[in-house]
Formats: sequence, C-alpha cells, structure tokens
Amino acid sequence: KQEVTQIPAALSVPEGENLVLNCSFTDSAIYNLQWFRQDPGKGLTSLLLIQSSQREQTSGRLNASLDKSSGRSTLYIAASQPGDSATYLCAVKRRRDNYGQNFVFGPGTRLSVLP
Amino acid sequence: DGGITQSPKYLFRKEGQNVTLSCEQNLNHDAMYWYRQDPGQGLRLIYYSQIVNDFQKGDIAEGYSVSREKKESFPLTVTSAQKNPTAFYLCASSISSGSSYEQYFGPGTRLTVT
Repeated sequence: KQEVTQIPAALSVPEGENLVLNCSFTDSAIYNLQWFRQDPGKGLTSLLLIQSSQREQTSGRLNASLDKSSGRSTLYIAASQPGDSATYLCAVKRRRDNYGQNFVFGPGTRLSVLP
Repeated sequence: DGGITQSPKYLFRKEGQNVTLSCEQNLNHDAMYWYRQDPGQGLRLIYYSQIVNDFQKGDIAEGYSVSREKKESFPLTVTSAQKNPTAFYLCASSISSGSSYEQYFGPGTRLTVT
C-alpha cells in the first residue's frame, strides 16, 4: 500500500529565508508526483508536476526534485515571502492500480512566513 | 476561463437528510474525482470516474453515491448512511491517458450536518 508522509508538519520562518519541504512515499512505482498549495478554506492549486522519468521541475522561486529510488521529493522555496504562507501538499499517482487513477496525498506542511 | 466549479461553497443540513454537491468542469478532462478533507488529515478519495457512465469506489465510499451522465458533471450525494458527513469536499479532474495525470481542483464545498 502506498503511503505518503510530509515533514515537517508545520514550519515558521522569517521572510527572505530559503526553505525545503519534504515528501516521502513508500512505493517507488509511481507515474508522477505533484506538489500543491492550499490556502485556508480553499481548493488545491497545482504548483509543480514531476513525471517519474524526471529528476526536477522549476517554476519561478519553486524547485521540486524527485528521487524515486529513495522514495523522496523535496520542494525548495527560494527567498520566501509572507504570501507563500499556506499548506503545501504532495501527491503521488500510483502505478499499480487494478482500475483507474488513484492518487495518494500526504497530510501537508503548514508554512508560515513572518514579515 | 477553463476550470472546475463547485457549488454551493457552504452547505448546512440536518442529520438524516441526503444532500447533493455539484461539480462541473470545462477542461475537457475524462477523469473526475471526489475527495474528502478533514482537519489535520490528507485528502481521502471517495469516488472517481474515468469516463461517462462509469465510476469506481475509492477508499471511503460508504454513505456516498455519484453519477456521471455527462463528461462535464460529476455530482456527489452524501446520504444519511454516512456517519460523519461534516467535512470539506473537493472535486478534481485530470486527463485519463498518457503519462502526465496532472490533477486540477475546484474551490471546495464545506458541508456541515447537525
């Protein structure tokens, strides 16, 4: 069974710091890994998608890496801003399904960037 | 603009009543999903559908039902059999072929049952 964990559960940093969020998964047989941002009471916004054949993806101040063999992904946020405050979730698309397209989500890391 | 809409944003019901949550997408995606989110927990899959007139149970389908009569629409009914229905419900869609499988989410519906 695929399980996804995220460490830390919460993180508070001063504005301007570079930071790393971690995502671990137990089964390396994945199609892709996706990072999301969720603001309180809102839906999820897709940040980055890394396909299983890729090692990393970048978008602006965000960089996500994927190491399938160790079952880990990191989301690097450069020069953090108060507007980055949100919960960040990772999700993997399972490769071994009997049917359909099941995604498994981590519980998220709640980030607070202090002015 | 392409996207996913969910309505209503907030929903209040009395215990014992069935309630239907709406989800519509204009992304031309074949696959659609319903998730439940509880405080401090990750998203849990309720139902998913790869194509019209076909859907499959997810991890926590008991007490829920869905239909997929149109590609654009995937409504979720929370029945009186669902023991703890109060939660935040999220609808999502994705393509159903290839190797990308990027998911897109709606804004969510917060259901409160008293």
